[in-house]
Amino acid sequence: AQSVTQPDIHITVSEGASLELRCNYSYGATPYLFWYVQSPGQGLQLLLKYFSGDTLVQGIKGFEAEFKRSQSSFNLRKPSVHWSDAAEYFCAVGARNQGGKLIFGQGTELSVKP
Amino acid sequence: EAEVAQSPRYKITEKSQAVAFWCDPISGHATLYWYRQILGQGPELLVQFQDESVVDDSQLPKDRFSAERLKGVDSTLKIQPAELGDSAMYLCASSFRGREEETQYFGPGTRLLVL
Repeated sequence: AQSVTQPDIHITVSEGASLELRCNYSYGATPYLFWYVQSPGQGLQLLLKYFSGDTLVQGIKGFEAEFKRSQSSFNLRKPSVHWSDAAEYFCAVGARNQGGKLIFGQGTELSVKP
Repeated sequence: EAEVAQSPRYKITEKSQAVAFWCDPISGHATLYWYRQILGQGPELLVQFQDESVVDDSQLPKDRFSAERLKGVDSTLKIQPAELGDSAMYLCASSFRGREEETQYFGPGTRLLVL
């Protein structure tokens, strides 16, 4: 069965510093991969997604993610973090031929210090 | 910009009571999902509709939870009776046709507290 692991429960970075959030997945084939962001008390917003092709994916708000098949990883990066990026970030995997069902990781909470 | 609507945003109830949540997906979206998000965890799929039909309810606790989408548009999720462990955020999402590559658009959620 597919699964997603986000090893870091909470990360704190300084404003202007770079960010990398880790995501590892377990799936027998090439999955569909997503990163969502959730602000406090809100629903989830899609940052970016990967299906095939170029393994470096660009998203909204200056985020990017890189799919590495050999490491079963899909890490999220941003070169310079803004205070408004403080939120919870979820990595998700979508299995093929399962009607769009998403399996989410447990999330990484990002805090940004001035 | 079209959004997924959910109501109520917050609900406090006592255990053994019945509660209901409503979701109106983006117009034209055939696929509707209900997720449950326990504090500190990622969302977990409860039920998925394609138009008015259930296509996946394998994680829905059917002894107390029910969901319907009678006309293939808006949907209601019900819990009866509510238990303390049901306290969570209930998220509704929709997508155009439910294909794997499509974006799921999430509503703001209903936060349930069972006392």
